[in-house]
Formats: sequence, C-alpha cells, structure tokens
Amino acid sequence: DTGVSQNPRHKITKRGQNVTFRCDPISEHNRLYWYRQTLGQGPEFLTYFQNEAQLEKSRLLSDRFSAERPKGSFSTLEIQRTEQGDSAMYLCASSFEGGTKNIQYFGAGTRLSVL
Amino acid sequence: KNEVEQSPQNLTAQEGEFITINCSYSVGISALHWLQQHPGGGIVSLFMLSSGKKKHGRLIATINIQEKHSSLHITASHPRDSAVYICAAPRLPGNQFYFGTGTSLTVIP
Repeated sequence: DTGVSQNPRHKITKRGQNVTFRCDPISEHNRLYWYRQTLGQGPEFLTYFQNEAQLEKSRLLSDRFSAERPKGSFSTLEIQRTEQGDSAMYLCASSFEGGTKNIQYFGAGTRLSVL
Repeated sequence: KNEVEQSPQNLTAQEGEFITINCSYSVGISALHWLQQHPGGGIVSLFMLSSGKKKHGRLIATINIQEKHSSLHITASHPRDSAVYICAAPRLPGNQFYFGTGTSLTVIP
C-alpha cells in the first residue's frame, strides 16, 4: 500500500498526558499537511511542510502542539498536556508541489479521545 | 463567515433520486475540490475543477468561477453513496485547504 499512512488509528489518553501521532506520506510527495476535524465539522488546517521546512502554522496550533518532519519524509504531531478540547480526528495529507494537479491524498486519520 | 459554505448540512434521499450539494466560497481560488469522507474518517478526492463541468460515473461537478459557486450532483443515488461530501478551496501559498462543513448524505434503499 503506497497511500498515506497514519498511526495510531485511535488514541485514548487522560487529560494532561502527552501524545504523539505519526504520518507517513506518499513517498515522492514533498508537501505534507496536518488538519484537525471535530465531530460534525469540516476539517481545519493546522500546519504544513514543504520537504522538512514547516512553512505555516495556524493560530489553532497552540504552543502545546508541535509538528516535525525531520528528514522530509514522515511527520510527527505532538500534543503536550492534552486537554479535553483536543479530542478530534487528526488528519494528514500529502501532495506533490510542482505537479499539474496538486491533489492532496489523505490518510485515514488518528482519532484522539482525551478523558 | 466561513470562507467556504456548503448546503445542505444533512440530506436524506431515497435510492435512485438525483442529489445536489451546493458550495459557495468567498476567497479567490484557481480550483475547487470535492472530497468524500466515509465513516471512520478516510477522505478521498473526487474532483478538482477550475471551470465548467467534470463527470465521473454517476458523479458530476460544476463550477461557476464568476459566481464563486460549485455544485456536486449524484445521479441515480445508491446506498453506497452515503457519506459526507466536503468542498474545499486551496489557498496560497501552500494550497492548504479551506473546508466546508460537509454535507452528510444518507441514501435509503
């Protein structure tokens, strides 16, 4: 399977704990996006990378959130001191910038539940 | 006001009905995307269109750039079409999406 892979699929944690999610994009894709989706809403942009450079962060990404893409391949999203409001689906997408279509391919998401 | 607005939010149809989902956007874009999200979260891209109309099987997407409006039509709807349909507008510089809130479609046999 050469699609976008996200792990874990589900994460249940207690308030105050740290969590880390991983996204493995399609191998030749140089752009990687993180989005967050709460129940009944459309996704919202969090941040994106061009290769290893984090080029934009949404104001939704508080200082408890950090994302990395150290070698321009996989990415991690860490949430420190989780709060109940962090409960959401975290979606990763990748695309190839420079192509003609700029289609984003999405992973299945990581569903976070903060108790 | 959201940059991308969708209607209706929820839609229930009988199998075989013709379905229309509408999307209006307030930002200047070069293309608009229609996405499908099934229960469990996975999102797939259905269409990217910058003008006119595109057709894929029973799905048809149209866009009017001047009016900043797009529609997704499903002909001869089937229960397997039940999903959330989301329109998304990419913005510069990174083509990150503004998303609509989604339309939850249920097709009853």
